[in-house]
Amino acid sequence: DADVTQTPRNRITKTGKRIMLECSQTKGHDRMYWYRQDPGLGLRLIYYSFDVKDINKGEISDGYSVSRQAQAKFSLSLESAIPNQTALYFCATSRWGTGDQETQYFGPGTRLLVL
Amino acid sequence: AQTVTQSQPEMSVQEAETVTLSCTYDTSENNYYLFWYKQPPSRQMILVIRQEAYKQQNATENRFSVNFQKAAKSFSLKISDSQLGDTAMYFCAFMTYNNDMRFGAGTRLTVKP
Repeated sequence: DADVTQTPRNRITKTGKRIMLECSQTKGHDRMYWYRQDPGLGLRLIYYSFDVKDINKGEISDGYSVSRQAQAKFSLSLESAIPNQTALYFCATSRWGTGDQETQYFGPGTRLLVL
Repeated sequence: AQTVTQSQPEMSVQEAETVTLSCTYDTSENNYYLFWYKQPPSRQMILVIRQEAYKQQNATENRFSVNFQKAAKSFSLKISDSQLGDTAMYFCAFMTYNNDMRFGAGTRLTVKP
């Protein structure tokens, strides 16, 4: 969905480096999410945020941190990258309200390789 | 904890035929949402269909429909008149009202000409 953008789209880094993945959205949604996708495991939730002041841990938050700089921006950081964090990372957004509330719309993904 | 199981890692179907993808889930919640997402080779996650658990009527979206059996905790996806563009990974997902969404491992569907 072009309304949700992720940068970078691909990233190669070395073990121990700190990296940041960024997500921006123009959908006007209040809720944002970070997931990782590993082969054979589907997507797993890392962190989610209901608004700028509300950050929540997901299923697999260890080794990650997030920052919600504005309603439209949600960043994921790997403080000290390790090889098993090699994965495809997705940002998603949703809105609270009527209609299609709670349906999550995904960005194009960031492929991360940790050497 | 909620879990989602897709028991068919891979499936194939002839173009124009009908195929059904299976999904079961485990939860103690009474109110929740269920989704099917499609992931083509472009890796984009695309919503196919959604179902609210409190609704008894099965959701439909054009060629896509679901068979939601709440008591059996089953949520299968039927694709009618399959098209080559339906070739993709399909993920079943379950979400509680606190937005904690869990995905199945996926079913790789190939539509053959």
